[in-house]
Amino acid sequence: DGGITQSPKYLFRKEGQNVTLSCEQNLNHDAMYWYRQDPGQGLRLIYYSQIVNDFQKGDIAEGYSVSREKKESFPLTVTSAQKNPTAFYLCASGLVRTEQFFGPGTRLTVL
Amino acid sequence: KQEVTQIPAALSVPEGENLVLNCSFTDSAIYNLQWFRQDPGKGLTSLLLIQSSQREQTSGRLNASLDKSSGRSTLYIAASQPGDSATYLCAVNSQDSGGSNYKLTFGKGTLLTVNP
Repeated sequence: DGGITQSPKYLFRKEGQNVTLSCEQNLNHDAMYWYRQDPGQGLRLIYYSQIVNDFQKGDIAEGYSVSREKKESFPLTVTSAQKNPTAFYLCASGLVRTEQFFGPGTRLTVL
Repeated sequence: KQEVTQIPAALSVPEGENLVLNCSFTDSAIYNLQWFRQDPGKGLTSLLLIQSSQREQTSGRLNASLDKSSGRSTLYIAASQPGDSATYLCAVNSQDSGGSNYKLTFGKGTLLTVNP
């Protein structure tokens, strides 16, 4: 099956802990994106990558880090520097400047 | 900076009604516009993509229009059904502040409830 997978579906983080969210796609898309969604707000862009080994900060990159070592994978690390990480995280992919397709999301909760 | 607004924030209609969702954006220099559907706790499903050179796109009971010069798009849903109940999001694809990359800017969505 072609598509975008995110894991885990639910994730719990303790104070001061780093956690990594997985995003994988087998659609042969060059571009991958991470968004954060909070209740009552639209999606906000965290990081994006349009080519392997290159990525750019989005609108709310502070407290997050990413890597793009493979075309298929774009993991997001939520670091302890992110003071309010509880949110729904969505990964997307697409060809540059074309339609974006989204994964099922990961819900992160801070304990 | 691109800003996207969706009106209304919530809409409740009886089954069978035709309805229109509105989206406006501040910078008309867009590459394309995308409409999405989101069910509670789920990811986004792409409904329609309109390129900046196009005026409208249709898929089944859905029709999206684009007036780039006035910064507006509408999503028309014909003969609404309870299964259409979801949040509908509009997003515009435009260059970032550096001018070298393209990114989506989202509205906050319209929560649609179709009552049987």
